Amino acid sequence: QQPVQSPQAVILREGEDAVINCSSSKALYSVHWYRQKHGEAPVFLMILLKGGEQKGHEKISASFNEKKQQSSLYLTASQLSYSGTYFCGTAYNAGNMLTFGGGTRLMVKP
Amino acid sequence: DAGVIQSPRHEVTEMGQEVTLRCKPISGHNSLFWYRQTMMRGLELLIYFNNNVPIDDSGMPEDRFSAKMPNASFSTLKIQPSEPRDSAVYFCASSLAFGYSGNTIYFGEGSWLTVV
Repeated sequence: QQPVQSPQAVILREGEDAVINCSSSKALYSVHWYRQKHGEAPVFLMILLKGGEQKGHEKISASFNEKKQQSSLYLTASQLSYSGTYFCGTAYNAGNMLTFGGGTRLMVKP
Repeated sequence: DAGVIQSPRHEVTEMGQEVTLRCKPISGHNSLFWYRQTMMRGLELLIYFNNNVPIDDSGMPEDRFSAKMPNASFSTLKIQPSEPRDSAVYFCASSLAFGYSGNTIYFGEGSWLTVV
C-alpha cells in the first residue's frame, strides 16, 4: 500500500518552517525521505528505522511515530534551495521494497 | 564514486518501436530497482533484483515490459512494442543489501522516454 503524504503542496517565504507528514495503514519498519528537484533524480535525505531515534540533517530533521504509523519531516528556517518535491518511501519489513508516497511539492519564495 | 548510471538520458521513439533502457548500478551494490515516474501515478516500482535475480516483478505493467540483469554491473529494461502511455521517466536505483542496517536506495538520473 502506498503511504499518504500531506500536504500535497506548500508555499513558504524564505526563513519559514514547514512540516510534511507521511502516514501508513500498515506498521512500518523504515521510512526513507527524498527530495527531487524538477528534471532531476530523487536525492536521499535521511532514513528512520523502527525503534530508532529522530534524525537530523542540517536544518532538516524527521521523526518516526511507530504507534501512529507516521513520519514527519521538519524543515526549519527554509532556504530557497529547499524547493522541490519531497517523497517518503516506506518499507514494512527488513527485506521489503520501498513504496513511495505521492509527494509534497514545496516552493520557497524570497 | 560514480553513482547509478543510466542511458539513454532522453529517448523519443515512435509507437511500436522497441525501447531498451540501460543501467549500471553503484559498484558493490547487490540490489537493483527499476522505477517509473509519471504525473498521474507517481513513483512506481516495476521490478527488483537481488544478486542479479529478479525477486519481485509484480509492478511490471504487462508482457510488453521485460527486464534482465545478466551480471552485477548491468541491467536492461525493454519495452516491445512501445505505446504512447509508456511515456515516463524511468529510474534505475541500487542499494547495498537493501532493508538491512539502515541501507537505502540511490537513484540514477533517469531516462526520459517519449513515445509518439
